Amino acid sequence: GAVVSQHPSRVICKSGTSVKIECRSLDFQATTMFWYRQFPKQSLMLMATSNEGSKATYEQGVEKDKFLINHASLTLSTLTVTSAHPEDSSFYICSAKSFLDQPQHFGDGTRLSIL
Amino acid sequence: AQSVAQPEDQVNVAEGNPLTVKCTYSVSGNPYLFWYVQYPNRGLQFLLKYITGDNLVKGSYGFEAEFNKSQTSFHLKKPSALVSDSALYFCAVRGLGGSSNTGKLIFGQGTTLQVKP
Repeated sequence: GAVVSQHPSRVICKSGTSVKIECRSLDFQATTMFWYRQFPKQSLMLMATSNEGSKATYEQGVEKDKFLINHASLTLSTLTVTSAHPEDSSFYICSAKSFLDQPQHFGDGTRLSIL
Repeated sequence: AQSVAQPEDQVNVAEGNPLTVKCTYSVSGNPYLFWYVQYPNRGLQFLLKYITGDNLVKGSYGFEAEFNKSQTSFHLKKPSALVSDSALYFCAVRGLGGSSNTGKLIFGQGTTLQVKP
């Protein structure tokens, strides 16, 4: 149980395009979803926290107009990287949790490469 | 401020030997602690958590962790390491205060475990 599906697993696109990443909780309702960015051989950097039906809370230094997050249902959150540039290339990981004391369950990540 | 420290960038053990991956934390109040494992180009997999109760917590794949309040530690252990245990391990603590209603995690910097045959 507690499976989180993240799609796509890898995307390569040209500079200036927008990329949407989906995160789905397959067998539980996710009241909260999280979006992380991970640089090579580094820890996870939390970008934003989203609760179903409300606006996402972004961490300091994360541009909300650059990284658009939508959490429209209890099983789906999306991250859209708008007008992506090479510096946005990274490994993006989502996670989801149900109740407060439950652990976060992570997707398999999306490798984004901007040419 | 809440924080998590993993003092070792890498831990090397021989297959069959016991392993320990260290984690110390600093939080206000009672901590909620987690261990996750990450394989290359994958997301994190949940191993175990401590919220309350017994200080020795058993988790997935034969891993266990011991909560030590006096030493503010939550070291990950396994009695007999496998080559397939080689991966990146993260300790995390749930943030308190304003983030307590969302369960935001604060991660350590990660420890690479290398198990050699």
